[in-house]
Amino acid sequence: AQSVTQLGSHVSVSEGALVLLRCNYSSSVPPYLFWYVQYPNQGLQLLLKYTSAATLVKGINGFEAEFKKSETSFHLTKPSAHMSDAAEYFCAVTHMNRDDKIIFGKGTRLHILP
Amino acid sequence: DSGVTQTPKHLITATGQRVTLRCSPRSGDLSVYWYQQSLDQGLQFLIQYYNGEERAKGNILERFSAQQFPDLHSELNLSSLELGDSALYFCASSVDGGEGDSPLHFGNGTRLTVT
Repeated sequence: AQSVTQLGSHVSVSEGALVLLRCNYSSSVPPYLFWYVQYPNQGLQLLLKYTSAATLVKGINGFEAEFKKSETSFHLTKPSAHMSDAAEYFCAVTHMNRDDKIIFGKGTRLHILP
Repeated sequence: DSGVTQTPKHLITATGQRVTLRCSPRSGDLSVYWYQQSLDQGLQFLIQYYNGEERAKGNILERFSAQQFPDLHSELNLSSLELGDSALYFCASSVDGGEGDSPLHFGNGTRLTVT
């Protein structure tokens, strides 16, 4: 069975500082990994996805994530936080298995301090 | 704009009542997923339909049911509503059955308040 763990339900960073949101996954087969963002009063939007083509994945709004198989991690980073990055971020995992569905983590709410 | 349309945006109803939430998937997408989001439970997967057939079931209560119609739109029916059913209900769609790398496209949700 696959699972996703997001460390930290709330993360606060200062504007201009590095953003690091942690995601660890468990999967018995090579995974597909996703990061989604949810702004207030909106649905989730895809930030980026990993599908084995490259371990460093670049997404929208300056975010990127690195797949590290040895650490079973897929952490999301952004070099410099903007106030507009304040939102909730979800990591998700799936893979090429007809019986499995997409599994979401519990989410991390990112707060940006002025 | 994700292309996924959910109606209504807001719904206020009383305990014991029944409501229907509607979702139109993005054009070309065959799968529809329903999720419930609340402060204490987070994002909970309820059920998935693929091309009209039930594909996967999650933490869906027996009081809840769903279906996907031939035109691929979907409805989520919630009955005998309880206060604890108050939540945001999201619909998402994807082009495949969820086993590939195709992402989900989410609607903006229906906010259900049970009083």
